[in-house]
Amino acid sequence: SQELEQSPQSLIVQEGKNLTINCTSSKTLYGLYWYKQKYGEGLIFLMMLQKGGEEKSHEKITAKLDEKKQQSSLHITASQPSHAGIYLCGAGRYGNKLVFGAGTILRVKS
Amino acid sequence: GAGVSQSPRYKVAKRGQDVALRCDPISGHVSLFWYQQALGQGPEFLTYFQNEAQLDKSGLPSDRFFAERPEGSVSTLKIQRTQQEDSAVYLCASSLVGNGNQPQHFGDGTRLSIL
Repeated sequence: SQELEQSPQSLIVQEGKNLTINCTSSKTLYGLYWYKQKYGEGLIFLMMLQKGGEEKSHEKITAKLDEKKQQSSLHITASQPSHAGIYLCGAGRYGNKLVFGAGTILRVKS
Repeated sequence: GAGVSQSPRYKVAKRGQDVALRCDPISGHVSLFWYQQALGQGPEFLTYFQNEAQLDKSGLPSDRFFAERPEGSVSTLKIQRTQQEDSAVYLCASSLVGNGNQPQHFGDGTRLSIL
C-alpha cells in the first residue's frame, strides 16, 4: 500500500459546489504539501502545512493539517472549471525528499 | 524564465539507446530534485542535490541511471541502455534551501517513451 492514501481517487462536481479531498499518511507527518497538476504539465505548488492544526487558504482553496490523525484535507468552495485537474498531496521525508499520493482527479461540470 | 525549465519536453528513444534529460532550476535555488512519474501515479523520488553535491540517490532504480550537477546549477539525468520500463515523465524540482521549510517548484517534465 502507498505511504500516502488520497481519497477519493476521482470526483466530478457541478460548478458552484463545494468539495473535499483527503490525504492520510501511514507515517508521522513533518510537513504536508498540496500541488495541482494538469495533464502533460508539471506540479503547481498550492500550499504547505507544517504544524498540527494549521489551516491555510488561498482564494477558494483551504487546506488543514491534523497531525494526530496524520491526515490533511483540501477543501474547495464554489468550484469553477479552472479548478479541474489532479490534486496531489506530498509529505516531507528525511533528506528533504517528498513522497506523494497517487492523486485525486477533479472534473468540474459547467 | 522565472520557473524550472526542462528539456526536451518529449523524447522518444529505441530500447538500448542512451538518453540525457536537462533541468535548469530557478536561479539561486540551492536544492534540486529529480522525480519519476508513471501514468496515473504520483511522482517518485529519484535523487537530490544540494549545490553540486549529490546527497541522496536512493531512489535511482538501477545503475543505468546517473545524475549530475557539476556547477551547482543545471542538472542532467542520464539513462543508459534504456528499457521499456523507463518510459515515464521525469520531473525536476528546485527549492531555495534544503531544510524542508521551502516548497519545491516543479518544471513541466520530460515525457520519455522507449520503443
